[in-house]
Amino acid sequence: SAVISQKPSRDICQRGTSLTIQCQVDSQVTMMFWYRQQPGQSLTLIATANQGSEATYESGFVIDKFPISRPNLTFSTLTVSNMSPEDSSIYLCSVSGQTYEQYFGPGTRLTVT
Amino acid sequence: GENVEQHPSTLSVQEGDSAVIKCTYSDSASNYFPWYKQELGKRPQLIIDIRSNVGEKKDQRIAVTLNKTAKHFSLHITETQPEDSAVYFCAASKIGSGSEKLVFGKGMKLTVNP
Repeated sequence: SAVISQKPSRDICQRGTSLTIQCQVDSQVTMMFWYRQQPGQSLTLIATANQGSEATYESGFVIDKFPISRPNLTFSTLTVSNMSPEDSSIYLCSVSGQTYEQYFGPGTRLTVT
Repeated sequence: GENVEQHPSTLSVQEGDSAVIKCTYSDSASNYFPWYKQELGKRPQLIIDIRSNVGEKKDQRIAVTLNKTAKHFSLHITETQPEDSAVYFCAASKIGSGSEKLVFGKGMKLTVNP
């Protein structure tokens, strides 16, 4: 499976600020996704990062709050904008290829104070 | 949209026993059902998956079964070991639809007591 890295691995941010999380894969993949996982909870899909076009957002998530970029087939970013303590969570990217299995990055643990 | 229910939410077994985790899904168009294991502080790890054209798949001590008519699928772990202790998530997806997003169940915490 592909090697997936995320930066930063963790961060503590002040409310009202923004944080950009990077996801890098060591090979070209078809799909890239961004999930949120709150402590002790399941994974919730934020959006599908589409290469060369706007991301596809799930219900409850909007572009102004979670802008996403995917400039090529190996890299994507998720920005958490105007953060509040409710945004404290683990953010994970995942990737899938032509066989459809999804593999997850190590996650970014975000704490908003 | 798709809804995935998972039960039980917790399970405690003795080492060597078997464990079964059950999931149901709502969208009959779903055709791909992966299972993930997540250890504390780590990323979800894909352990096995099944597609709708087969009814059962095995990989050493783990197996997954799928009943399309009833819209449920199960993970079976035999001869459990302490290292099997983790949270297990089931998920469903519609691959080949152009939207291969996963919808996850709420997870089950498995504890294997030595």
